[in-house]
Amino acid sequence: AQSVTQPDIHITVSEGASLELRCNYSYGATPYLFWYVQSPGQGLQLLLKYFSGDTLVQGIKGFEAEFKRSQSSFNLRKPSVHWSDAAEYFCAVAGRAGKSTFGDGTTLTVKP
Amino acid sequence: GAVVSQHPSRVICKSGTSVKIECRSLDFQATTMFWYRQFPKQSLMLMATSNEGSKATYEQGVEKDKFLINHASLTLSTLTVTSAHPEDSSFYICSATLQGSSTDTQYFGPGTRLTVL
Repeated sequence: AQSVTQPDIHITVSEGASLELRCNYSYGATPYLFWYVQSPGQGLQLLLKYFSGDTLVQGIKGFEAEFKRSQSSFNLRKPSVHWSDAAEYFCAVAGRAGKSTFGDGTTLTVKP
Repeated sequence: GAVVSQHPSRVICKSGTSVKIECRSLDFQATTMFWYRQFPKQSLMLMATSNEGSKATYEQGVEKDKFLINHASLTLSTLTVTSAHPEDSSFYICSATLQGSSTDTQYFGPGTRLTVL
């Protein structure tokens, strides 16, 4: 069975500081991995995805993530956080046919 | 491209009534649509997988007679919450998979906030 763990429930960073959100997954084959962002009361927006190829994936809004098979991780990073990045972030793993399993989410707070 | 809409965005209903939520893929045909439920401060829980023209596949623990899913076309799926009760109050989100896509990326709707009084 596939599963996703986001170890950090809540992270607070100062505006302009770097950010790393952790994600560990469990999946029997080569996974499809995603990071989504959700603002309060809104749906999910896809930040980036990994299917194959280059293990460093670039996404929207200046985010990137690195797939590390040996560590079963897919951590999300951003070099300089903006106040508008405050939101809930979900990591997800999917098999074929798109059925996804989501982590519990990490709430990001940005201090001025 | 690849926009998914949901209607309504918010609905308040009385206990015992039924509520229908629509999920539409606006500019693409969706092979598959998914329905999720999200409680406050929690993650998304998959309720069911819906394929056009066939019966939905429900996840364990989801009552198929209470959450009726109809996928009448490649651009529309509906979720009907029958005989709603306050415990059904939640945020319901649908997603659609692009037909013919080799990557099966899901595109999410904006969600529907259901409040049952």
